[in-house]
Amino acid sequence: QSALTQPPSASGSPGQSVAISCIGTSSDLGASNLVSWYQQHPGKAPKLMIYEVTKRPSGVPDRFSGSKSGNTASLTVSGLQPEDEADYYCCSHGGSDNYIFGGGTKLTVL
Amino acid sequence: EVLLVESGGGLVQPGGSLRLSCAASGFNFRNSWMTWVRQTPGKGLEWVANMNPDGSGKYYLDSVKGRFTISRDNARNSVSLQMNSLRAEDTAVYYCARDGVSGARDHWGQGTLVTVSS
Repeated sequence: QSALTQPPSASGSPGQSVAISCIGTSSDLGASNLVSWYQQHPGKAPKLMIYEVTKRPSGVPDRFSGSKSGNTASLTVSGLQPEDEADYYCCSHGGSDNYIFGGGTKLTVL
Repeated sequence: EVLLVESGGGLVQPGGSLRLSCAASGFNFRNSWMTWVRQTPGKGLEWVANMNPDGSGKYYLDSVKGRFTISRDNARNSVSLQMNSLRAEDTAVYYCARDGVSGARDHWGQGTLVTVSS
Protein backbone atom coordinates (compact mmCIF):
# COMPACT_ATOMS: atom_id res chain seq x y z
CA GLN A 1 0.00 0.00 0.00
CA SER A 2 1.22 3.51 -0.80
CA ALA A 3 1.75 6.27 1.70
CA LEU A 4 -1.07 8.73 2.23
CA THR A 5 -0.60 11.95 0.25
CA GLN A 6 0.16 15.19 2.08
CA PRO A 7 1.41 18.51 0.72
CA PRO A 8 5.13 18.86 1.44
CA SER A 9 4.71 22.30 2.95
CA ALA A 10 2.18 24.73 4.38
CA SER A 11 2.53 28.14 5.96
CA GLY A 12 0.65 30.89 7.71
CA SER A 13 1.22 33.99 9.77
CA PRO A 14 0.73 34.09 13.54
CA GLY A 15 -2.97 34.17 14.39
CA GLN A 16 -4.06 32.77 11.03
CA SER A 17 -5.55 29.36 10.33
CA VAL A 18 -4.01 26.72 8.13
CA ALA A 19 -5.37 23.37 6.96
CA ILE A 20 -3.25 20.36 6.02
CA SER A 21 -4.80 17.69 3.82
CA CYS A 22 -4.19 13.95 3.81
CA ILE A 23 -5.46 11.93 0.86
CA GLY A 24 -5.92 8.18 0.87
CA THR A 25 -8.10 5.70 -0.96
CA SER A 26 -11.47 4.07 -0.38
CA SER A 27 -9.60 1.01 0.92
CA ASP A 28 -7.71 2.77 3.67
CA LEU A 29 -8.48 6.29 4.87
CA GLY A 30 -11.89 6.38 3.24
CA ALA A 31 -12.92 3.19 5.02
CA SER A 32 -11.55 4.01 8.47
CA ASN A 33 -12.26 6.25 11.40
CA LEU A 34 -8.86 5.34 12.84
CA VAL A 35 -7.24 8.48 11.47
CA SER A 36 -4.66 10.23 13.62
CA TRP A 37 -2.30 13.19 13.32
CA TYR A 38 1.17 13.65 14.80
CA GLN A 39 3.35 16.70 15.35
CA GLN A 40 7.12 16.35 15.22
CA HIS A 41 9.64 19.02 16.09
CA PRO A 42 13.24 18.62 14.79
CA GLY A 43 15.15 15.96 16.66
CA LYS A 44 12.12 14.97 18.75
CA ALA A 45 9.76 12.03 18.81
CA PRO A 46 6.32 12.47 17.24
CA LYS A 47 3.45 13.64 19.44
CA LEU A 48 -0.17 12.58 19.05
CA MET A 49 -2.39 15.56 18.27
CA ILE A 50 -5.63 14.03 16.92
CA TYR A 51 -7.08 10.52 17.03
CA GLU A 52 -10.25 8.94 15.66
CA VAL A 53 -10.44 11.72 13.05
CA THR A 54 -11.60 14.50 15.39
CA LYS A 55 -10.61 13.76 18.99
CA ARG A 56 -7.88 15.57 20.91
CA PRO A 57 -5.81 13.90 23.63
CA SER A 58 -5.66 15.64 26.96
CA GLY A 59 -3.28 18.58 26.85
CA VAL A 60 -3.53 19.31 23.13
CA PRO A 61 -4.83 22.86 22.56
CA ASP A 62 -8.27 23.19 21.03
CA ARG A 63 -6.64 25.23 18.25
CA PHE A 64 -5.98 21.84 16.66
CA SER A 65 -8.93 20.15 14.99
CA GLY A 66 -9.45 17.25 12.61
CA SER A 67 -12.03 16.29 10.03
CA LYS A 68 -12.62 13.82 7.25
CA SER A 69 -14.66 13.74 4.06
CA GLY A 70 -14.52 10.74 1.78
CA ASN A 71 -10.91 9.77 1.16
CA THR A 72 -9.48 13.04 2.52
CA ALA A 73 -8.69 13.95 6.10
CA SER A 74 -7.66 17.39 7.25
CA LEU A 75 -5.86 18.91 10.21
CA THR A 76 -6.67 22.55 10.89
CA VAL A 77 -4.53 24.71 13.13
CA SER A 78 -6.30 27.91 14.16
CA GLY A 79 -4.68 30.94 15.73
CA LEU A 80 -1.21 29.88 14.59
CA GLN A 81 1.54 30.27 17.15
CA PRO A 82 5.31 30.13 16.63
CA GLU A 83 5.57 26.84 18.51
CA ASP A 84 3.23 25.21 15.96
CA GLU A 85 6.06 25.25 13.43
CA ALA A 86 6.84 21.55 12.97
CA ASP A 87 6.30 18.56 10.71
CA TYR A 88 2.83 17.02 10.74
CA TYR A 89 1.97 13.46 9.76
CA CYS A 90 -1.38 11.84 9.20
CA CYS A 91 -1.93 8.13 9.76
CA SER A 92 -4.77 5.77 8.95
CA HIS A 93 -5.60 2.14 9.47
CA GLY A 94 -4.79 0.47 6.17
CA GLY A 95 -7.56 -2.08 6.11
CA SER A 96 -5.18 -5.05 6.20
CA ASP A 97 -4.15 -5.12 9.86
CA ASN A 98 -1.63 -2.40 9.13
CA TYR A 99 -1.28 1.36 9.39
CA ILE A 100 -0.19 3.87 6.77
CA PHE A 101 1.42 7.24 7.37
CA GLY A 102 1.40 10.27 5.13
CA GLY A 103 4.62 11.68 3.76
CA GLY A 104 4.52 14.61 6.15
CA THR A 105 3.91 18.35 5.85
CA LYS A 106 6.35 20.99 7.06
CA LEU A 107 4.35 23.80 8.63
CA THR A 108 6.09 27.17 8.67
CA VAL A 109 4.86 30.05 10.80
CA LEU A 110 5.85 33.16 8.90
CA GLU B 1 4.64 9.12 33.80
CA VAL B 2 4.72 6.91 30.73
CA LEU B 3 8.28 6.14 29.67
CA LEU B 4 9.50 4.14 26.67
CA VAL B 5 13.23 3.62 26.24
CA GLU B 6 14.63 1.93 23.14
CA SER B 7 18.04 0.30 22.89
CA GLY B 8 19.98 -1.96 20.56
CA GLY B 9 20.52 0.23 17.53
CA GLY B 10 23.83 0.49 15.75
CA LEU B 11 25.78 -0.15 12.57
CA VAL B 12 25.29 -3.49 10.84
CA GLN B 13 26.33 -4.86 7.47
CA PRO B 14 23.77 -5.76 4.81
CA GLY B 15 22.41 -9.24 5.49
CA GLY B 16 23.15 -8.92 9.18
CA SER B 17 20.88 -9.00 12.21
CA LEU B 18 20.03 -6.67 15.06
CA ARG B 19 17.66 -6.87 17.99
CA LEU B 20 15.95 -3.74 19.29
CA SER B 21 14.44 -3.59 22.75
CA CYS B 22 12.01 -1.18 24.37
CA ALA B 23 11.61 -0.92 28.14
CA ALA B 24 8.21 0.41 29.21
CA SER B 25 7.06 1.91 32.49
CA GLY B 26 4.33 4.11 33.91
CA PHE B 27 1.31 2.32 32.43
CA ASN B 28 -0.42 -1.05 32.32
CA PHE B 29 1.89 -2.68 29.78
CA ARG B 30 0.20 -6.08 29.74
CA ASN B 31 -3.05 -4.46 28.55
CA SER B 32 -1.48 -2.38 25.78
CA TRP B 33 -0.86 -2.92 22.08
CA MET B 34 2.72 -1.99 21.21
CA THR B 35 4.08 -0.72 17.90
CA TRP B 36 7.39 -0.11 16.12
CA VAL B 37 7.58 2.85 13.73
CA ARG B 38 10.65 3.88 11.75
CA GLN B 39 11.80 7.13 10.20
CA THR B 40 14.35 7.28 7.43
CA PRO B 41 16.81 10.12 8.03
CA GLY B 42 15.28 13.33 6.75
CA LYS B 43 12.11 11.59 5.63
CA GLY B 44 8.75 10.45 6.88
CA LEU B 45 7.35 7.94 9.31
CA GLU B 46 6.62 4.31 8.42
CA TRP B 47 4.63 1.85 10.51
CA VAL B 48 6.67 -1.36 10.87
CA ALA B 49 4.88 -3.80 13.17
CA ASN B 50 2.56 -4.09 16.12
CA MET B 51 1.45 -6.69 18.61
CA ASN B 52 -1.62 -7.22 20.76
CA PRO B 53 -1.44 -7.42 24.58
CA ASP B 54 -1.11 -11.19 24.97
CA GLY B 55 1.22 -11.61 22.01
CA SER B 56 -1.14 -13.75 19.99
CA GLY B 57 -1.52 -11.18 17.22
CA LYS B 58 1.46 -9.79 15.31
CA TYR B 59 1.19 -7.61 12.23
CA TYR B 60 3.90 -6.42 9.86
CA LEU B 61 4.70 -4.01 7.05
CA ASP B 62 4.84 -6.05 3.85
CA SER B 63 8.49 -5.23 3.18
CA VAL B 64 9.64 -6.64 6.54
CA LYS B 65 7.48 -9.77 6.65
CA GLY B 66 9.64 -12.85 7.04
CA ARG B 67 12.65 -10.76 8.13
CA PHE B 68 11.46 -8.93 11.26
CA THR B 69 9.80 -10.45 14.33
CA ILE B 70 8.06 -8.50 17.06
CA SER B 71 7.83 -10.03 20.51
CA ARG B 72 7.05 -8.98 24.06
CA ASP B 73 7.71 -10.01 27.65
CA ASN B 74 4.81 -8.87 29.83
CA ALA B 75 6.66 -9.92 32.99
CA ARG B 76 9.50 -7.54 32.13
CA ASN B 77 7.38 -4.80 30.52
CA SER B 78 9.39 -4.95 27.33
CA VAL B 79 8.85 -5.30 23.60
CA SER B 80 11.48 -6.30 21.06
CA LEU B 81 12.05 -6.24 17.33
CA GLN B 82 14.34 -8.92 15.91
CA MET B 83 15.60 -7.75 12.53
CA ASN B 84 17.26 -10.27 10.20
CA SER B 85 18.50 -10.07 6.60
CA LEU B 86 18.86 -6.33 6.97
CA ARG B 87 18.99 -4.13 3.88
CA ALA B 88 20.25 -0.62 3.26
CA GLU B 89 16.66 0.56 3.00
CA ASP B 90 16.06 -0.54 6.60
CA THR B 91 18.35 2.28 7.76
CA ALA B 92 16.23 4.50 9.99
CA VAL B 93 15.48 5.69 13.49
CA TYR B 94 13.25 3.07 15.07
CA TYR B 95 10.64 4.24 17.58
CA CYS B 96 8.76 2.14 20.08
CA ALA B 97 5.24 3.42 20.74
CA ARG B 98 2.22 2.50 22.80
CA ASP B 99 -1.07 2.12 21.00
CA GLY B 100 -3.63 4.01 23.06
CA VAL B 101 -7.22 4.68 22.20
CA SER B 102 -8.28 3.27 18.86
CA GLY B 103 -4.82 2.35 17.71
CA ALA B 104 -3.37 5.84 17.85
CA ARG B 105 0.21 5.92 19.12
CA ASP B 106 -0.12 8.10 22.21
CA HIS B 107 3.34 7.68 23.72
CA TRP B 108 6.68 7.33 21.94
CA GLY B 109 10.24 6.54 22.91
CA GLN B 110 13.15 8.71 21.89
CA GLY B 111 14.16 6.34 19.09
CA THR B 112 17.25 4.29 18.28
CA LEU B 113 19.23 4.60 15.05
CA VAL B 114 19.85 1.56 12.89
CA THR B 115 22.36 1.97 10.07
CA VAL B 116 22.75 -0.80 7.51
CA SER B 117 25.94 -0.26 5.54
CA SER B 118 29.10 -2.05 4.51
